[in-house]
Amino acid sequence: DIQMTQSPSTLSASVGDRVTITCRASQDISEWLAWYQQKPGKAPKLLIYRTSGLQSGAPSRFSGSGSGTEFTLTISSLQPDDSATYYCQQYHILTTFGPGTKVHIK
Amino acid sequence: EVQLVESGGGLVHPGGSLRLSCATSGFTFSSHAFSWVRQAPGTGLEWVSIISGSGDETWHADSVKGRFTISRDNPESTLYLQMNTLRAEDTAVYYCVKSDCSTTGCRLFVSWGQGTLVTVS
Repeated sequence: DIQMTQSPSTLSASVGDRVTITCRASQDISEWLAWYQQKPGKAPKLLIYRTSGLQSGAPSRFSGSGSGTEFTLTISSLQPDDSATYYCQQYHILTTFGPGTKVHIK
Repeated sequence: EVQLVESGGGLVHPGGSLRLSCATSGFTFSSHAFSWVRQAPGTGLEWVSIISGSGDETWHADSVKGRFTISRDNPESTLYLQMNTLRAEDTAVYYCVKSDCSTTGCRLFVSWGQGTLVTVS
């Protein structure tokens, strides 16, 4: 099974800050990495697919990069609405989610 | 508009059974693989099962293999999860999730239902 890790597990940043979340896979997953945003009491929403593709409707301040085993999600200018938990997902071999990164607004 | 509406959750004793349903609309149901993804209280996401658009191929996570069965009724545009021999660790919100294409290799989850809570106690 492919294991996914994320860092940090929580972060606190101010409106307007640039925020980066890292996701690592236990083996090479090529570009088969997605990011989801989940707000409390709501279902997750797809933000980024295939490492860097911006899902329709997702704000352009979100971007993704990486390949192989290391990937990042960047929020270029943090907004109050971005307070949420972010999960990475590998879909190279079956599928596995990372443990999540909770983003707080200072 | 894509709509995925789960039902069938509730409280069940350990060893019991439950069948979840997901009624869908707004797209061609048979053109998409579907999964169930669960989230135990206060924890992360765990993929449970996937079924192809035609229904002829399924995969289950090791944690539920032999106990859970995913199925679908394409004319009724409905997805199911039959859960048997339930354990306390199966307690979670269960989400019905639509994939971006039709085979079980399609594991990008583009649309999610609102979830249904299953409590095993």
